[in-house]
Amino acid sequence: KNEVEQSPQNLTAQEGEFITINCSYSVGISALHWLQQHPGGGIVSLFMLSSGKKKHGRLIATINIQEKHSSLHITASHPRDSAVYICAVPRGDGGATNKLIFGTGTLLAVQP
Amino acid sequence: AAGVIQSPRHLIKEKRETATLKCYPIPRHDTVYWYQQGPGQDPQFLISFYEKMQSDKGSIPDRFSAQQFSDYHSELNMSSLELGDSALYFCASSADTGYSDPSLFRSYNEQFFGPGTRLTVL
Repeated sequence: KNEVEQSPQNLTAQEGEFITINCSYSVGISALHWLQQHPGGGIVSLFMLSSGKKKHGRLIATINIQEKHSSLHITASHPRDSAVYICAVPRGDGGATNKLIFGTGTLLAVQP
Repeated sequence: AAGVIQSPRHLIKEKRETATLKCYPIPRHDTVYWYQQGPGQDPQFLISFYEKMQSDKGSIPDRFSAQQFSDYHSELNMSSLELGDSALYFCASSADTGYSDPSLFRSYNEQFFGPGTRLTVL
């Protein structure tokens, strides 16, 4: 069983829809990352959060540390949001050894 | 704002050749991570450096070595290349010391990724 699991693996939505991607993890963490990767492209850090909620534009990320669960929401989705969204958690003893363990990613396709 | 720079962006090598990938972290970031992403796979951690010392090691083959230099840039050296080394290699940097200037980074320990180097071994 992976330490970080995401659902769904694939998601197709119509433009304007509200989208939710879920991430569950089985290890103790200090923070959780949400990342975005376009096909064949680089990785962009969307959020790093350790509690509560963060919002940036149409993106909202929430985390429940007790339940070991995080969600990424996209409001008013747009075709340019089409990408792979990856949940990742740092593993290590803190400080400089915070290598990321990545979830399997959610491939989002937003159709016009 | 300055981002993580990786060079080259694309690299084509023959089997058994050697390759060197370079990573220039965001200014004043002291930690560098290297990740390998094979086709259709999740990124996997290779190695990290903090203040020019190796801080952690993952699934990095013995044929690979890396170091972080005095200017904090890092190089990943890959020898005796194999077909299976074809992948996207990402570098990420973070500030793991307590800089108090919030304009330099969003969150302490947050990793910022470079655009990656796509290595193809023929």
